[in-house]
Amino acid sequence: DSGVTQTPKHLITATGQRVTLRCSPRSGDLSVYWYQQSLDQGLQFLIQYYNGEERAKGNILERFSAQQFPDLHSELNLSSLELGDSALYFCASSAHADGKNTEAFFGQGTRLTVV
Amino acid sequence: QKEVEQDPGPLSVPEGAIVSLNCTYSNSAFQYFMWYRQYSRKGPELLMYTYSSGNKEDGRFTAQVDKSSKYISLFIRDSQPSDSATYLCAMSFSGGGADGLTFGKGTHLIIQP
Repeated sequence: DSGVTQTPKHLITATGQRVTLRCSPRSGDLSVYWYQQSLDQGLQFLIQYYNGEERAKGNILERFSAQQFPDLHSELNLSSLELGDSALYFCASSAHADGKNTEAFFGQGTRLTVV
Repeated sequence: QKEVEQDPGPLSVPEGAIVSLNCTYSNSAFQYFMWYRQYSRKGPELLMYTYSSGNKEDGRFTAQVDKSSKYISLFIRDSQPSDSATYLCAMSFSGGGADGLTFGKGTHLIIQP
């Protein structure tokens, strides 16, 4: 168990809908990362938050957004969903944004199916 | 050219064999290199974390980084059926600072009992 908790584990929704994925980082970790894993693209970095602030953006679509709350949990919001958004969404956390102990630990993921 | 190339396999070896997994990359600015193991439908699990060139050993696992060749390797000694999984290499510019990890697509490893 990595200590990173993601809910829900599975989500099935229709095209055009909006969903929210939730992540609780490991105790004490300030950085949260979101990744998307699909069969054709592999694991793709979406966005990073550090202590409530956005720190880095990767291949995140404009239809997607995220935030990190004062208690450090994070949510990834996916809107106007398309069939191609079906994927595994992972959250990861690490201790620091600019330190040396920065191994990232992953949650078990949320499997999103858009029908 | 993708930033990180990794042979998807599958790579099938008999139990007890030494396994060699490799990645090449194109961006010389990468400084931190990781190997993750992912079982089917589970989250990636960190195996090895190294900075810059050199070797690092942890139990049956050895990670090697050759920055001059832009080539990283993971060796698994005395392979076990429980090592069967997908192995992902990953790298970053700032060790998890203000950037995410760039992953290879993973090598599917099968250890035959």
